Amino acid sequence: DAGITQSPRYKITETGRQVTLMCHQTWSHSYMFWYRQDLGHGLRLIYYSAAADITDKGEVPDGYVVSRSKTENFPLTLESATRSQTSVYFCASTHGTEQFFGPGTRLTVL
Amino acid sequence: SQQGEEDPQALSIQEGENATMNCSYKTSINNLQWYRQNSGRGLVHLILIRSNEREKHSGRLRVTLDTSKKSSSLLITASRAADTASYFCATALYNTDKLIFGTGTRLQVFP
Repeated sequence: DAGITQSPRYKITETGRQVTLMCHQTWSHSYMFWYRQDLGHGLRLIYYSAAADITDKGEVPDGYVVSRSKTENFPLTLESATRSQTSVYFCASTHGTEQFFGPGTRLTVL
Repeated sequence: SQQGEEDPQALSIQEGENATMNCSYKTSINNLQWYRQNSGRGLVHLILIRSNEREKHSGRLRVTLDTSKKSSSLLITASRAADTASYFCATALYNTDKLIFGTGTRLQVFP
């Protein structure tokens, strides 16, 4: 199916573990973004990528790592998960000025 | 710090009524966009207004932009129960491809 997908949709992990959230888009959009959504904060940008092998920090990058070896994939890794990283994570890609969002991954860190 | 702040945080209305949401921002923008989020879903783009535009319409949506006051409003006319969702404004700053999202307005439309 065309569009933007995220996996897993739900994840429970423990403090200190490494977790990777996957994002895949079928449009070949150049720009991709990772956001976290927390109550009272709206969406905050974690990292974004302008193209394969080009990434840059957003507003809240600490504790996260990204890579973009292929245009269609933009994985987000929590190197050592903390409870403060419990959140809903959204991936998005841009076509022109409009952003298209994935369905989100709900991550719980115990 | 948050670029966009929506007001009110929550809004409850009856079907058929109009719903107005406001967004204020802090710095100069290239455009301002409104997104909708249904519970448990990703955001969906609704409408974009450029910095040189003052008003834009799309179906039952009307967006205004006042760059002198750094504010925008989203009006949904003749609301329906299906309009129940959270609505976010997002600002695109000059010379950047990033969007800065506000904290959102939760709209509840009662049948």
